[in-house]
Amino acid sequence: AQSVAQPEDQVNVAEGNPLTVKCTYSVSGNPYLFWYVQYPNRGLQFLLKYITGDNLVKGSYGFEAEFNKSQTSFHLKKPSALVSDSALYFCAVRLDSTGGFKTIFGAGTRLFVKA
Amino acid sequence: DGGITQSPKYLFRKEGQNVTLSCEQNLNHDAMYWYRQDPGQGLRLIYYSQIVNDFQKGDIAEGYSVSREKKESFPLTVTSAQKNPTAFYLCASSIVNFPTGELFFGEGSRLTVL
Repeated sequence: AQSVAQPEDQVNVAEGNPLTVKCTYSVSGNPYLFWYVQYPNRGLQFLLKYITGDNLVKGSYGFEAEFNKSQTSFHLKKPSALVSDSALYFCAVRLDSTGGFKTIFGAGTRLFVKA
Repeated sequence: DGGITQSPKYLFRKEGQNVTLSCEQNLNHDAMYWYRQDPGQGLRLIYYSQIVNDFQKGDIAEGYSVSREKKESFPLTVTSAQKNPTAFYLCASSIVNFPTGELFFGEGSRLTVL
């Protein structure tokens, strides 16, 4: 079955330190991978995506993600965390399906950045 | 500004009642989606639609129904057959048949069954 896994329910990091939020995937064919962020009681916002090409993808708010085909991973990273980065982060993959494309999501990882 | 509008933001329902959640978009996107969000379970796909007058069941369609009579609108009805309807519901849209296109989300509707 095609799926996305986020192995950590929660990640804690001190402000100014680098952060990593992990994601692994299992899909057939070329993976189209995405990261989204959600603030409390809000919808999701797109951060970045990997389609093809350079394995290091840069996105919004200083976030980047590294695609690793051999490890089937797409980890989200930021060199220096901010308290305002505290939120719920979702990894997602876009799949070809009946009637068009659909997106499936991981369970989410809650990021806490401590001042 | 272009975007997706969901209403109502909060909704309370008695058991046995059907409720309809509204989703309207002015992004000129062909594809629209409904997701359900429960704590610790991420987002699960309920229904999706790529074109007007056509829609597909997602992973958890039982107890829900949708319609797509207009490109801009994709309402979701939570029926009395849905056993555990209390959840946060999110509507999204994207450019159709474009696998690299990201989803644009509304602000969500929180449904509570009393």
